[in-house]
Amino acid sequence: NAGVTQTPKFQVLKTGQSMTLQCAQDMNHNSMYWYRQDPGMGLRLIYYSASEGTTDKGEVPNGYNVSRLNKREFSLRLESAAPSQTSVYFCASSDPGQGLEKLFFGSGTQLSVL
Amino acid sequence: GQQVMQIPQYQHVQEGEDFTTYCNSSTTLSNIQWYKQRPGGHPVFLIQLVKSGEVKKQKRLTFQFGEAKKNSSLHITATQTTDVGTYFCRHSGYALNFGKGTSLLVTP
Repeated sequence: NAGVTQTPKFQVLKTGQSMTLQCAQDMNHNSMYWYRQDPGMGLRLIYYSASEGTTDKGEVPNGYNVSRLNKREFSLRLESAAPSQTSVYFCASSDPGQGLEKLFFGSGTQLSVL
Repeated sequence: GQQVMQIPQYQHVQEGEDFTTYCNSSTTLSNIQWYKQRPGGHPVFLIQLVKSGEVKKQKRLTFQFGEAKKNSSLHITATQTTDVGTYFCRHSGYALNFGKGTSLLVTP
């Protein structure tokens, strides 16, 4: 099993450009998450999806949109990128129904906005 | 959401020394999880604690959950260079749930 797959691994954007980060998991997990990681700030939740068809804002949702396309896929869109969105983005999934909400992370996307 | 605070933010030790990171909350936690992130990598789940006073060991790593379920600690005995990375605690079930992490540097 591949686990959680994120694409792309690296991306450079100019201010104002748009892009979509893709995430897919093959573990049949109900919940999926998008985090951003900045130095000294830890992991901050952008959006999450508790189940297919639902999405909720996390701690830092401004400037982002998400789509839970199906149970496997959860995408993150930047409509108009800003330098403040330069970060490492992680997708994660979990299956809370197992009584252990263990997060499985993708390998991350390093995004630079110039 | 229930925020968890981690200390210290950074720790630099000589190989062979012990290391401890602490995770604290102002409210009672139903559980606490610990993750490790190697430099350039992604967070990887280490363990979950759910019971008051629980202690679990994984080789040189010892995890504790406080009696009041408001704090937790991760202790590494005799650090090795392979322990380098950032250790995060997390309270599952809430949106605001990761601590900011403790970055461990081990010098040979």
